[in-house]
Amino acid sequence: DGGITQSPKYLFRKEGQNVTLSCEQNLNHDAMYWYRQDPGQGLRLIYYSQIVNDFQKGDIAEGYSVSREKKESFPLTVTSAQKNPTAFYLCASRDRGYNEQFFGPGTRLTVL
Amino acid sequence: GNSVTQMEGPVTLSEEAFLTINCTYTATGYPSLFWYVQYPGEGLQLLLKATKADDKGSNKGFEATYRKETTSFHLEKGSVQVSDSAVYFCALRKTSGSARQLTFGSGTQLTVLP
Repeated sequence: DGGITQSPKYLFRKEGQNVTLSCEQNLNHDAMYWYRQDPGQGLRLIYYSQIVNDFQKGDIAEGYSVSREKKESFPLTVTSAQKNPTAFYLCASRDRGYNEQFFGPGTRLTVL
Repeated sequence: GNSVTQMEGPVTLSEEAFLTINCTYTATGYPSLFWYVQYPGEGLQLLLKATKADDKGSNKGFEATYRKETTSFHLEKGSVQVSDSAVYFCALRKTSGSARQLTFGSGTQLTVLP
């Protein structure tokens, strides 16, 4: 089945540690996105990538980094510079020429 | 810039009640409009969409009509079920220019009681 996978579903890290969240898609989509969701709020865009080896900052990129070395993979690193990293992180992808984005199941990151 | 405003929740209804979740938007040009649903602990699923004025999106008994004159895209369902309990997000995307992102509303929590 085609889809987007994010792993792990729950992630715990100590304050000051970098952590990388995985996002893989087998939909052959060109564009991929990372969003952050906080309780009672909508989704905020962190980074997006329209093509391999290219990505752009979203609205809240500070303290995060990404790479796009392969079409199917778009990992997100939450660095120690991110002041409030505890949140639910959602990855999405979109096929070129279409409007809708398809979402993965999310990773809940808790920094202790 | 673009923005989406949804009615604040939470909304609690009894099974078989009529549902309306209001959504209005601000955008230049002719955006595409979406409703996404998020079940507890999961990612978002596309529920329905509309790409031009007067289009009606529909899926699983839910409907929403793109009203350009009132810049609205209200979600409705005639008879809700317990399984409809979720968070509903209204979103828009500009159809021209950058492929940057969707702009989301803050979400509306719906609880349906048996």
